[in-house]
Amino acid sequence: EDQVTQSPEALRLQEGESSSLNCSYTVSGLRGLFWYRQDPGKGPEFLFTLYSAGEEKEKERLKATLTKKESFLHITAPKPEDSATYLCAVQDLKTSYDKVIFGPGTSLSVIP
Amino acid sequence: KAGVTQTPRYLIKTRGQQVTLSCSPISGHRSVSWYQQTPGQGLQFLFEYFSETQRNKGNFPGRFSGRQFSNSRSEMNVSTLELGDSALYLCASSLDGQLLFFGSGTQLSVL
Repeated sequence: EDQVTQSPEALRLQEGESSSLNCSYTVSGLRGLFWYRQDPGKGPEFLFTLYSAGEEKEKERLKATLTKKESFLHITAPKPEDSATYLCAVQDLKTSYDKVIFGPGTSLSVIP
Repeated sequence: KAGVTQTPRYLIKTRGQQVTLSCSPISGHRSVSWYQQTPGQGLQFLFEYFSETQRNKGNFPGRFSGRQFSNSRSEMNVSTLELGDSALYLCASSLDGQLLFFGSGTQLSVL
């Protein structure tokens, strides 16, 4: 069965203190791995899609990387506005489109 | 371009009642997925509809059902509400079957 785990569950950083969030997944075959950001009281907002090991994507202070069993979301010199819950999700090659399985998320707090 | 719209935003019901939630997808998106989000379980997949047909279903009891109309709008129904059904219900639409655009959700409280 497809499974996604994320660590740490919660992370507090000082402004400017870089760190990484981890996403570990188990699927028969990876169709795609997704990172979303969710602010309180809102739905998740798409950040990145990764398809194959070795792939990297960047957006402002965020960089997502992918290996065969893990993905990392690196946050460089974070700002308070980066505070949110970051969700990792996967789609299995063997399931139909649009069944996306989400991990539990990492709650990030960036302190000024 | 308007985003995904979910109504109502908040809902309070009592045990045993039923509830219907509504979702209007982004114009042109024919796929609509529903998720339940709780602090303990995270985002759990409920079901997905494409062109009025349910293509995928998660591991939820039959009390949870949905449908999609010809204009791609979707409704989700929960019958015989239980306390454990209290959650944020999120709808997402998709054009390509992968990239999901979420609404702000309906916060359901069951008393």
